[in-house]
Amino acid sequence: EPEVTQTPSHQVTQMGQEVILRCVPISNHLYFYWYRQILGQKVEFLVSFYNNEISEKSEIFDDQFSVERPDGSNFTLKIRSTKLEDSAMYFCASRNQVGQFFGPGTRLTVL
Amino acid sequence: EDQVTQSPEALRLQEGESSSLNCSYTVSGLRGLFWYRQDPGKGPEFLFTLYSAGEEKEKERLKATLTKKESFLHITAPKPEDSATYLCAVRGYGNKLVFGAGTILRVKS
Repeated sequence: EPEVTQTPSHQVTQMGQEVILRCVPISNHLYFYWYRQILGQKVEFLVSFYNNEISEKSEIFDDQFSVERPDGSNFTLKIRSTKLEDSAMYFCASRNQVGQFFGPGTRLTVL
Repeated sequence: EDQVTQSPEALRLQEGESSSLNCSYTVSGLRGLFWYRQDPGKGPEFLFTLYSAGEEKEKERLKATLTKKESFLHITAPKPEDSATYLCAVRGYGNKLVFGAGTILRVKS
């Protein structure tokens, strides 16, 4: 059964550094998403992406964040200058007509 | 603003003891109500999508129902492996899902 995959599973970085989180959505899905979940809190929407552009973004998704689909399979989330409060699980998801399917997540720890 | 409230926050059941989880929602133009299962440190695992009041979906010991204001996830004769956090989410206008805080289910043998 096709799955969303994410790399790395855990990323540790210093405050102020740039990080890139990578995702491979399910191959025939057209909509892609990033969500995050701070420890003990709700899953929060960050951004949706369709037809090579952002279709919707939340207030969290400020100028420090960007997304890209550099080729036909990968979907990336870049955080330009990480802050302590960016520490969270980041989930990629892709959607078909049935629903949104999530990857296993990348745990980002900002020191 | 779309909102989702789940209750109870936590539920402990004995193996075989059936129960229900509640998801109350307010949304502008419901385009889907979703149930997910989440194990610790893992991503949400898709269970069901419901679109309209009166709709029901079943999968093994789980059954999801939908009214105009809430959804229930019924668990029949649960087993220890059903222990997880169950998340409810809604999609209104737009693409994003709005999640509730989840119900932590523990099933003891």
